[in-house]
Amino acid sequence: EVVMTQSPATVSVSPGERATLSCRASQSVSGNLAWYQRKPGQAPRLLIYGASTRATGIPARFSGSGSGTEFTLTISSLQSEDVAAYYCQQYNNWPRTFGQGTQVEIK
Amino acid sequence: QLQLQESGPALVKPSETLSLTCTVSGASISSNDYYWGWIRQPPGKRLEWIGSGDYSGGAYYNPSLSSRVTISVDTSKDQFSLKLRSVTAADTAIYYCARDRRLCSGGTCYSGLAEYFQDWGQGTLVTVSS
Repeated sequence: EVVMTQSPATVSVSPGERATLSCRASQSVSGNLAWYQRKPGQAPRLLIYGASTRATGIPARFSGSGSGTEFTLTISSLQSEDVAAYYCQQYNNWPRTFGQGTQVEIK
Repeated sequence: QLQLQESGPALVKPSETLSLTCTVSGASISSNDYYWGWIRQPPGKRLEWIGSGDYSGGAYYNPSLSSRVTISVDTSKDQFSLKLRSVTAADTAIYYCARDRRLCSGGTCYSGLAEYFQDWGQGTLVTVSS
């Protein structure tokens, strides 16, 4: 199965600054990658699919890029409500697999 | 607005069957565009897709769990369920239900193929312990 590796494990960013999260696949997943946000006690939320398409209602400060094996989620101007764990997931190969997550904190 | 709510026992004994139900509101469970799936996250480990089912009775499972899992959809109750047999402590996890986007292209939806999880429930912690 495809192993998804996220880095860093934790990222600390000042409010209004940029946060950059990485996700690497053990083999090419083309553009078939999604990103999710999970806050404590809440349902995970789909942010991005198709590597770069924002899901309905997702603010424009969230953007995704990449293809093949290297992907990035960028939060252009971090807000306090963005403190959460973020996960990538590939759906190019069966079974679908997730990264181990990156925790975003406010500096 | 779609809502998904997991329900079921929080504690299950080893070797028994874990049974969870997800109640769907705000959308049709009979949609041809979606499967209905289960994902779990054991403590300290990554999220793991367990399997997904559809309204017609089709179900697709992660090979790592397929010998112990059954997922079914009840359209009369707008619910879908998970049964995981012969559980051990390794099955202790937060279990999520989710609406699973089916792979469709050019007006054709493909059986057994899905993409991302469009909506999720809040999750329920199930502990396996005697």
